Amino acid sequence: ETGVTQTPRHLVMGMTNKKSLKCEQHLGHNAMYWYKQSAKKPLELMFVYSLEERVENNSVPSRFSPECPNSSHLFLHLHTLQPEDSALYLCASSQQLVSRAAGPNTIYFGEGSWLTVV
Amino acid sequence: KNEVEQSPQNLTAQEGEFITINCSYSVGISALHWLQQHPGGGIVSLFMLSSGKKKHGRLIATINIQEKHSSLHITASHPRDSAVYICAASGGGADGLTFGKGTHLIIQP
Repeated sequence: ETGVTQTPRHLVMGMTNKKSLKCEQHLGHNAMYWYKQSAKKPLELMFVYSLEERVENNSVPSRFSPECPNSSHLFLHLHTLQPEDSALYLCASSQQLVSRAAGPNTIYFGEGSWLTVV
Repeated sequence: KNEVEQSPQNLTAQEGEFITINCSYSVGISALHWLQQHPGGGIVSLFMLSSGKKKHGRLIATINIQEKHSSLHITASHPRDSAVYICAASGGGADGLTFGKGTHLIIQP
């Protein structure tokens, strides 16, 4: 139990569906992240939020739309996805942004949401 | 852009063996993270280090800043250590972590 909770754990959706992934942390962290892990590839950073403001968008297609309504919750809205978007989507949080931390700043990951696009 | 390389990609060993996983990175970083990912997908942070050496139970992580290299060691390995071990770097201008491809470790009884 890392303190970062993701739902759903598994999701199968059609290419025309709209769905959302949810992430919640009760660690009092100020930074939250969405990562994508595809088969045989390293984890890729998708979005970074610091204090509910988006800091970085790593050239992610617009069919992925993040939302951070408060510092404890992060959503990833999915719309008209492609089969190649099937992957494990991981949420993470840390006390400060990784790039701005001067001291210890452990990053905590959720269990991930396995997404299959059919 | 930081490149993070891990070796080996796959490692199978017998229970009790001493395990070493290596990680190298290309640009200066603020910290190096070692993570463990189990088959269910969840990732646990094992170590975050910026210099020297850290130990937790049977796990030891070292980093050499000058050589841009880090190692993760497992002593007296056990089948429950079987997992993917991922090296990740923070800093180098990025807001998130830059990850290696991971090392898939299997410890056989």
